[in-house]
Amino acid sequence: GAGVSQTPSNKVTEKGKYVELRCDPISGHTALYWYRQSLGQGPEFLIYFQGTGAADDSGLPNDRFFAVRPEGSVSTLKIQRTERGDSAVYLCASSLAPGGRYEQYFGPGTRLTVT
Amino acid sequence: AQTVTQSQPEMSVQEAETVTLSCTYDTSESDYYLFWYKQPPSRQMILVIRQEAYKQQNATENRFSVNFQKAAKSFSLKISDSQLGDAAMYFCAGEKLTFGTGTRLTIIP
Repeated sequence: GAGVSQTPSNKVTEKGKYVELRCDPISGHTALYWYRQSLGQGPEFLIYFQGTGAADDSGLPNDRFFAVRPEGSVSTLKIQRTERGDSAVYLCASSLAPGGRYEQYFGPGTRLTVT
Repeated sequence: AQTVTQSQPEMSVQEAETVTLSCTYDTSESDYYLFWYKQPPSRQMILVIRQEAYKQQNATENRFSVNFQKAAKSFSLKISDSQLGDAAMYFCAGEKLTFGTGTRLTIIP
C-alpha cells in the first residue's frame, strides 16, 4: 500500500511568512508524529497525535508552531511568522498503534528554507 | 526523560566485513523499547531493528543484530557481511521519541 506522503517536498519562504506543511499517513494508522531534522542532526520530536487529539506537544519550540489533525488522518503543521532558524527538513511519521513502542513509518520530508 | 547518545559521527567498513555502531542511552523506566533506524541518502527513514528491554535475547534481523547491555545502558548495532546498500545514516532511538545524532556509515567496495 501507499506509504506516508508529505507535501510540498520543498518550500522556500520569506522570513515572516506563514507556511503549512501537510502529511498523509498510512491508512489506518492512528498515531502521527512530526519531527524537525536540521542538517547533520537526528530528528527532533515536535508533536504526536493519537487520533484527532495531540497526545504530546511538548516538542513544539514556541507558539508560532501549531499542528492539527481534524479527522484523525491528514495532519497539517503550521508555522507562523517564520524565522531563518526554522529552516530544516520536517518529517512526518505514522504508526499503527499509539506510543513510541511501535515501528514508525516515515515520509520523505518537507525541506523548508526561510530566506 | 530519555536521552540517546551516538558518539561516532562517521564509520566506514569494507564490503562484506562486519561493523558495529555504538549507542548509549539513559532512562528512568524499567521496561522500554529501543530502535535503530536507517536513513539512506535522499530516501525515507526505515526501521532496522527493535529491542524490548525486558527481553534477555538480543534482537536479530538477518544481517543486523544488536548487542543490548541493559546494565551498561548500551545498545549497539552490528551489521554483518556489509553491502553497498547499507550505506546510510543510522539513528539510535528510544520509545520517548528521542533520536541520537546519527552515524554516517560508508561502505568501501
